[in-house]
Amino acid sequence: DTAVSQTPKYLVTQMGNDKSIKCEQNLGHDTMYWYKQDSKKFLKIMFSYNNKELIINETVPNRFSPKSPDKAHLNLHINSLELGDSAVYFCASSRETTASYEQYFGPGTRLTVT
Amino acid sequence: GQQVMQIPQYQHVQEGEDFTTYCNSSTTLSNIQWYKQRPGGHPVFLIQLVKSGEVKKQKRLTFQFGEAKKNSSLHITATQTTDVGTYFCAGPRYSTLTFGKGTMLLVSP
Repeated sequence: DTAVSQTPKYLVTQMGNDKSIKCEQNLGHDTMYWYKQDSKKFLKIMFSYNNKELIINETVPNRFSPKSPDKAHLNLHINSLELGDSAVYFCASSRETTASYEQYFGPGTRLTVT
Repeated sequence: GQQVMQIPQYQHVQEGEDFTTYCNSSTTLSNIQWYKQRPGGHPVFLIQLVKSGEVKKQKRLTFQFGEAKKNSSLHITATQTTDVGTYFCAGPRYSTLTFGKGTMLLVSP
């Protein structure tokens, strides 16, 4: 069974479109995250949710809006996509919100904006 | 904000050679974690170090946490082609982790 799953795996779209990425974890974890990994492999935290509540909102354009309907799901909606949004987006989860627990990553969603 | 710096950025070795990646922080870390990301894959947790001077081994991998808890290293003995990937260290930042930029390891057979 997949611990952290994301859909879709690949997303190719045009500038200006709106798209969503979904994430689900079946580990019973309280905390979920969204990361952006650029072409240089730099992993940057975007958002963190603990039990459906937003904990961390890094300096991310407000075109990005996360939603957590329950603690097992964290979705990411992106409005008005730009070329610079092209990256791999990883969802992750951890048992609790402190940085003392390991994070489990999903397989990633490769977003290409043309 | 707190950052963890990781060197080298990239290393290419022959199979059987050793490899080391280093991670440094300007501030004391309560713990440090290491992750491995295979090409095309996602980061996978390897280990967490908590104690000053701690050394942990996983088969050919040796992880160290510095006495001052500001640096850490990952050493791989006798690399194999299966070791290929990017190795990240990560330190606590607020209630999450801040990742180093990673060291990409290439191993030629």
